[in-house]
Amino acid sequence: DQQVKQNSPSLSVQEGRISILNCDYTNSMFDYFLWYKKYPAEGPTFLISISSIKDKNEDGRFTVFLNKSAKHLSLHIVPSQPGDSAVYFCAASGDGGSQGNLIFGKGTKLSVKP
Amino acid sequence: GAGVSQSPSNKVTEKGKDVELRCDPISGHTALYWYRQRLGQGLEFLIYFQGNSAPDKSGLPSDRFSAERTGESVSTLTIQRTQQEDSAVYLCASSSARDYNTGELFFGEGSRLTVL
Repeated sequence: DQQVKQNSPSLSVQEGRISILNCDYTNSMFDYFLWYKKYPAEGPTFLISISSIKDKNEDGRFTVFLNKSAKHLSLHIVPSQPGDSAVYFCAASGDGGSQGNLIFGKGTKLSVKP
Repeated sequence: GAGVSQSPSNKVTEKGKDVELRCDPISGHTALYWYRQRLGQGLEFLIYFQGNSAPDKSGLPSDRFSAERTGESVSTLTIQRTQQEDSAVYLCASSSARDYNTGELFFGEGSRLTVL
């Protein structure tokens, strides 16, 4: 039973365009959501997060949107760059942050083509 | 080093053997986590240590899995009588009290375990 779902295993985008990565969750108790980025043979690195009391958080080219009623969040990357090509994991927590037991989705592999 | 260090980076073992995986967290980080990623799957939580509190072992898949942590330093994940389904990348992460509210975990590069 997946509590965090990333239904698109892959996404291909042209350089300069917007990349939109989607994530759905089922547990309404989740109150913190995070995106991690992973390159091959490396550990995941934290990208951006959002608390459930907000609906948007922006950091440079990266923006995360949260729609609590739909239990949906998305990561927007604009403009996309070839160096953004990686696997992106959505994660959720039920206790306001790093309390362990972050629930991760299966990831979406983003390919940004020059 | 400045980051989370894991060893070995690769381990191939025969079914039924025991393996130990080691994690050196970032100095000063009070929290340490073990996750695993099986092929085509997301990151699966295994165990979490926070300071001197009792560890959260709720993610360990069976009693063949155990982990220890000495104070706020090194942790060892032990898998006894390995099975082929244990094949995965085992990822360790640490975080500090400052990162507590952002949920930012710092991951190592992982230990890839292959059970033949």
